[in-house]
Amino acid sequence: AQKVTQAQTEISVVEKEDVTLDCVYETRDTTYYLFWYKQPPSGELVFLIRRNSFDEQNEISGRYSWNFQKSTSSFNFTITASQVVDSAVYFCALRTDKLIFGTGTRLQVFP
Amino acid sequence: DAGVIQSPRHEVTEMGQEVTLRCKPISGHNSLFWYRQTMMRGLELLIYFNNNVPIDDSGMPEDRFSAKMPNASFSTLKIQPSEPRDSAVYFCASSSTSGRAPGEQFFGPGTRLTVL
Repeated sequence: AQKVTQAQTEISVVEKEDVTLDCVYETRDTTYYLFWYKQPPSGELVFLIRRNSFDEQNEISGRYSWNFQKSTSSFNFTITASQVVDSAVYFCALRTDKLIFGTGTRLQVFP
Repeated sequence: DAGVIQSPRHEVTEMGQEVTLRCKPISGHNSLFWYRQTMMRGLELLIYFNNNVPIDDSGMPEDRFSAKMPNASFSTLKIQPSEPRDSAVYFCASSSTSGRAPGEQFFGPGTRLTVL
């Protein structure tokens, strides 16, 4: 069975703090894809990153970075020097035959 | 690019009425997905189409829900009759699958449905 767990329901930080959003997944498939999406207060879902199961290289994009570790089935997301505009709900998702979302982590960044 | 277009953006209806949600995927994308988002259940995949053909409708809650994709540029999700528990935000997403790798899904703005 496929499953995505985002244990952190809500995180609050002050601007400029670093924050890590955790994601743990379960699958028996050897080929799979992992995603992160952002849902700002306006409601739309914005794609952030896709990773395939054969590429464990960490990725950095500006203030965003992702740490993929197959050994622990985790795909964590770190925002460095957080900003108020980062306030949103962040979803981790796993794709094998279909895309399954975690329950999301609500990040609130206070000025 | 226009992105995924959904209409209406908001719909308020009374229990028992028929509701039709519409989606226009991004031109050139060959996969289309319907999701429902609620506080209780989060984001759930209802159905998805590949090349206009329904591939997996196991997420469709019950027979009151139906989805069609008559052509590559249009899809509908219909609820008949609607019930208050159908109140949710319904998202449509599309992606382009090349080879075996699934492309990222681009989401529409969603339709917020309220059934009174």
